[in-house]
Amino acid sequence: GAVVSQHPSWVICKSGTSVKIECRSLDFQATTMFWYRQFPKQSLMLMATSNEGSKATYEQGVEKDKFLINHASLTLSTLTVTSAHPEDSSFYICSARQTGGTYEQYFGPGTRLTVT
Amino acid sequence: QKEVEQDPGPLSVPEGAIVSLNCTYSNSAFQYFMWYRQYSRKGPELLMYTYSSGNKEDGRFTAQVDKSSKYISLFIRDSQPSDSATYLCAMSATGGSYIPTFGRGTSLIVHP
Repeated sequence: GAVVSQHPSWVICKSGTSVKIECRSLDFQATTMFWYRQFPKQSLMLMATSNEGSKATYEQGVEKDKFLINHASLTLSTLTVTSAHPEDSSFYICSARQTGGTYEQYFGPGTRLTVT
Repeated sequence: QKEVEQDPGPLSVPEGAIVSLNCTYSNSAFQYFMWYRQYSRKGPELLMYTYSSGNKEDGRFTAQVDKSSKYISLFIRDSQPSDSATYLCAMSATGGSYIPTFGRGTSLIVHP
């Protein structure tokens, strides 16, 4: 149980285009989902907390107009990187917290974004 | 000083060795302590969690928390090449959103 999927697993896009990444909790409902960014050999950097049916809470320094987050259902959150640039190339990982849960997060397999 | 400090390694050990991975932290409000394993190009997988101080054992893995020293450890017995991965510690306070703070991870290499 507690499986989280991400799609796509790998995407290459041209500079200036937008990319949407989906995060799904497959066998549980997740009121809260999290989006992280990870650079090589670095830890997870929390970008935003996504709550179903409400606006996402962004961490300091993360541009909310560039990284659009939508959490329209209890099993799906999306991250859209708008007007992507090469510096946005990174590994994006989502996690989901089971509705009614506390500390435990279940992570997706990650999406590698390369902007050329 | 970062809230959570973790040596990035790499830590290289022979198969069968006992591995000790550690993190220190500065926030005395942390009560939940977790260890995640992350294989290359994959998302982290929760290995162990403990609440407050003490030890917890699960198979070859033992997690220890020493709140007085603000120090946590993960021990891996009889290490296997399949244990080669990055191990991230994470911790959170009670109440509020329980959003964890992660260490930067320690890269472990177990060679045959």
